Amino acid sequence: RKEVEQDPGPFNVPEGATVAFNCTYSNSASQSFFWYRQDCRKEPKLLMSVYSSGNEDGRFTAQLNRASQYISLLIRDSKLSDSATYLCVAWAGKLIFGQGTELSVKP
Amino acid sequence: ETGVTQTPRHLVMGMTNKKSLKCEQHLGHNAMYWYKQSAKKPLELMFVYSLEERVENNSVPSRFSPECPNSSHLFLHLHTLQPEDSALYLCASSQDGGDNEQFFGPGTRLTVL
Repeated sequence: RKEVEQDPGPFNVPEGATVAFNCTYSNSASQSFFWYRQDCRKEPKLLMSVYSSGNEDGRFTAQLNRASQYISLLIRDSKLSDSATYLCVAWAGKLIFGQGTELSVKP
Repeated sequence: ETGVTQTPRHLVMGMTNKKSLKCEQHLGHNAMYWYKQSAKKPLELMFVYSLEERVENNSVPSRFSPECPNSSHLFLHLHTLQPEDSALYLCASSQDGGDNEQFFGPGTRLTVL
């Protein structure tokens, strides 16, 4: 079983759509969680940390459910520039990455 | 623009060659990392250095040999690689290790023939 598992992609959505990514993790000792974004042929960059109470950054909302070992990322009013691969990441002594979900936002 | 640079950006080598990948961070961080990213697979942590001391070797074959001469530089020495070692090798740095944000370099795209 993968330590961090994400929705298979790709997600193809029109501009302005709301899209949700789901992620589960298997290590209950995981302490911190993140979403990283990786553009095509570029390096990963931190998008946002994920807190138990849920957190929002503009059009992006991240949520964590420790009981279900589940993490989500919601993107509202998607833009063309949101097209990228979104990586779900758990920290359990080291960063453990999911395989990523590719998002393609079309005009 | 990232504060972590990597050279070369692309590398093609034969299985008998010896080459080195270089990483430099300009962020004043004290922890550095090597990751491997293969197609359709998650990033895999290879090595962690904290304060120039190796603190993690994630069961990496000995044909990969890291070196961290100071807190700003990290090398990955390669020898007798296999075709399945072809991948994107990413360097990252962070302040104090732990779960602090990691900043990645652009990577070296390695092809082993």
